[in-house]
Amino acid sequence: SQQGEEDPQALSIQEGENATMNCSYKTSINNLQWYRQNSGRGLVHLILIRSNEREKHSGRLRVTLDTSKKSSSLLITASRAADTASYFCATDAKGSNYQLIWGAGTKLIIKP
Amino acid sequence: DTAVSQTPKYLVTQMGNDKSIKCEQNLGHDTMYWYKQDSKKFLKIMFSYNNKELIINETVPNRFSPKSPDKAHLNLHINSLELGDSAVYFCASSHLGSQETQYFGPGTRLLVL
Repeated sequence: SQQGEEDPQALSIQEGENATMNCSYKTSINNLQWYRQNSGRGLVHLILIRSNEREKHSGRLRVTLDTSKKSSSLLITASRAADTASYFCATDAKGSNYQLIWGAGTKLIIKP
Repeated sequence: DTAVSQTPKYLVTQMGNDKSIKCEQNLGHDTMYWYKQDSKKFLKIMFSYNNKELIINETVPNRFSPKSPDKAHLNLHINSLELGDSAVYFCASSHLGSQETQYFGPGTRLLVL
């Protein structure tokens, strides 16, 4: 079942701008992960944030988590053409037997 | 050096045929997964195996049968293929645990005619 919903479904920005994607989920979670999928490829893990964390950084990526609103955001700063991809959030819901529940993804296009 | 590999990469076949997709991982993981990604990019878990034992079996037609001969391999056999089976199938692996990263294969693009 789909738990996460990414917002927006698609985002097109100029190279150098910041890109923000949001993910909402429905049930209590242990952690939330973000993955990237380049066209025609498999998914690649970007970052994991635990339910007791509010913010996490990795290079140009910044992830926030608001468990009271059941939402997370992924910020990519100083975007590059190579950031063009689809971005998915996945939650490890409590009691889910380690199963990840995936959102529908945000398609990000970086215009040169 | 490929961490998670799948074969074939592309599969075009007629309705009613039986086909298999193979997956191998060399990461030493104990858990492997099969996902289906439809044309709208929804990613849906189909099966998960831990140490060759089935731990997740979502609502999938019984025409789909996974087989794990050892921890490094998880194959997917599909009987009597239907048009609606057309999708991209991804294999993934990880250590078992709620905070473990999943590593994905490149996908198998299945087209049923």
